[in-house]
Amino acid sequence: GAGVSQTPSNKVTEKGKYVELRCDPISGHTALYWYRQSLGQGPEFLIYFQGTGAADDSGLPNDRFFAVRPEGSVSTLKIQRTERGDSAVYLCASSSRDSGGFSTDTQYFGPGTRLTVL
Amino acid sequence: AQSVAQPEDQVNVAEGNPLTVKCTYSVSGNPYLFWYVQYPNRGLQFLLKYITGDNLVKGSYGFEAEFNKSQTSFHLKKPSALVSDSALYFCAVRDMATNAGKSTFGDGTTLTVKP
Repeated sequence: GAGVSQTPSNKVTEKGKYVELRCDPISGHTALYWYRQSLGQGPEFLIYFQGTGAADDSGLPNDRFFAVRPEGSVSTLKIQRTERGDSAVYLCASSSRDSGGFSTDTQYFGPGTRLTVL
Repeated sequence: AQSVAQPEDQVNVAEGNPLTVKCTYSVSGNPYLFWYVQYPNRGLQFLLKYITGDNLVKGSYGFEAEFNKSQTSFHLKKPSALVSDSALYFCAVRDMATNAGKSTFGDGTTLTVKP
């Protein structure tokens, strides 16, 4: 079946601009995660949704970053007033949960969106 | 707080030899542990995970990992390396005590298998 998809694959923007990054999770997956990966580092957690609500947004670096998942499927990561330090690959992952809501599930990752802020 | 350390930036092995990629972790409660592989210009691919039970976990492409609670380690192993195993490998941990979705990743180890 189809995996996690992310659009666009590449985004180049100018400092100060607003960007939106989209994630389509695997069909039926209730949990969705955003990570950021800088060159030479592992993915860094940003935010986690269970259904429509953000269960944990402790990784968002500041109030310029915001994410939504209004219908419990597609999610959009929004970055306002972009800065050069925001340049990174933004990864999305999704997973299912068992009937007890226990998070032993495996996260399946999309190919990422490479954001470059000039 | 949870953390992961991958002490080796790079591991080089000859094709056909056994390989080990090291990972140590720190969590408050019991850990969920994962290994992912990343090929150039591609997303992270799941290899294997430890949740509970047998300390030796078998995964995709002939890889396995051994959970060692006393040493807080979860090293990735393969008995006979292939050139096609060359890639970037990430270890990740989640804290069972918090039952949270947040995973913490190491900074990765580049595995190079030479023919």
